Parts: sequence; C-alpha cells; structure tokens
Amino acid sequence: GIQVEQSPPDLILQEGANSTLRCNFSDSVNNLQWFHQNPWGQLINLFYIPSGTKQNGRLSATTVATERYSLLYISSSQTTDSGVYFCAVGTNAGKSTFGDGTTLTVKP
Amino acid sequence: DVKVTQSSRYLVKRTGEKVFLECVQDMDHENMFWYRQDPGLGLRLIYFSYDVKMKEKGDIPEGYSVSREKKERFSLILESASTNQTSMYLCASWGGVGTYEQYFGPGTRLTVT
Repeated sequence: GIQVEQSPPDLILQEGANSTLRCNFSDSVNNLQWFHQNPWGQLINLFYIPSGTKQNGRLSATTVATERYSLLYISSSQTTDSGVYFCAVGTNAGKSTFGDGTTLTVKP
Repeated sequence: DVKVTQSSRYLVKRTGEKVFLECVQDMDHENMFWYRQDPGLGLRLIYFSYDVKMKEKGDIPEGYSVSREKKERFSLILESASTNQTSMYLCASWGGVGTYEQYFGPGTRLTVT
C-alpha cells in the first residue's frame, strides 16, 4: 500500500513564527487532505489538495503530485494552531492512508 | 456544512461486553468509514461502506463488525470487547466524486476494563 511520511514529527514555535510541514507519499494519488486534530480529538478539514496550491487565511498548501509531496504552510502562528497535523492520501473512493502526523506546539 | 455525529464521546465497557458505536451523517453521503487512533500507530482503517448494506474490510477488521442499514448511519460493533480495543474511534463520511473531502465525527474514546 501507499506509504505516507510526515516531517518533522514535532515542532515547537514561538507565537508569530512561520512553519512548513511536509508530507511525502510513495505512489500516485487522486486525493490528498490536510487535517488539524484539536486537543479534544476532532479532526478538522484544512485542505483538499491533490495538486496545486490553495490558501485559507494564514494557512496555505501546495501539492506537487509529480514529485509526490505536499507542503502545509502556517504563517504568523497562534497558540490555537497547536495540535497534530495529519496528511491523508488515497487512490480509491475516499479510503485514505494517514501519515503519523506532526505535533505542533505554539508557545505564547 | 457536513455534520458527522457519534453516539458517545467517552465510553467505558467491561471485557467480554458487546459494544455498539454509532455514527450518523446528515449530508446523504454514500461512503462511510471507521478508524481507530492509537498513540504511535496513527489512524488505521477498520471498515468502510460504499452503500447501504455494503461493507468492506479495512486494514484491521479483526474483532470488529459493522452494520449499515440506512444511508445516514454506520455502526461499529465489538462482538466481545477486549482490553486491546481500548482506543479512540473516529467515524468519517465522504460524498464521492465531486465532493472529495472526507469529514470526521468528534470521536469516541473507548476504555475496556
């Protein structure tokens, strides 16, 4: 099956700093999502981005499908950005393989 | 907005009990999924369903079964709960082509004692 690797596993930032999270995957995919898991365990959709670039406020994402990676950018980080960020990829009808996540801690 | 709800946020059961976890979505999605999340192991797919009464095994189906009698509801059943099934259980739904995002419920944290 598809292998998904996320880096870094852990990231600690001061409030206001920028960061880049990476997701590498081992095969061609036709769906890719980024999620944020909040402290209560809820997975929040950030982006559906199998290719190209999208932006939503302070967050943006880029997927280069031909090179099998995706990047999530967080600018001017806030304490509420803390949590675990997951990349999920798939080739079939919504069935996804998740990376192990990046745990982000933003300090005030 | 898509809404996916799960019957309980926290559940404590005894070894050997039969456990039902319920998931309901309100967007008429055809596809529904059950995952479990464990520290160090990430999210793993247990079962999924593409339509009413249809189900397929995911990566870790052992010890679980599912039921999909209505389109909006997908139930996960632990026939005889064991301590190694203590975990966070997450339900998701997906609307298919043209609705590519997968939406998750809030999760059920199950403890089996």
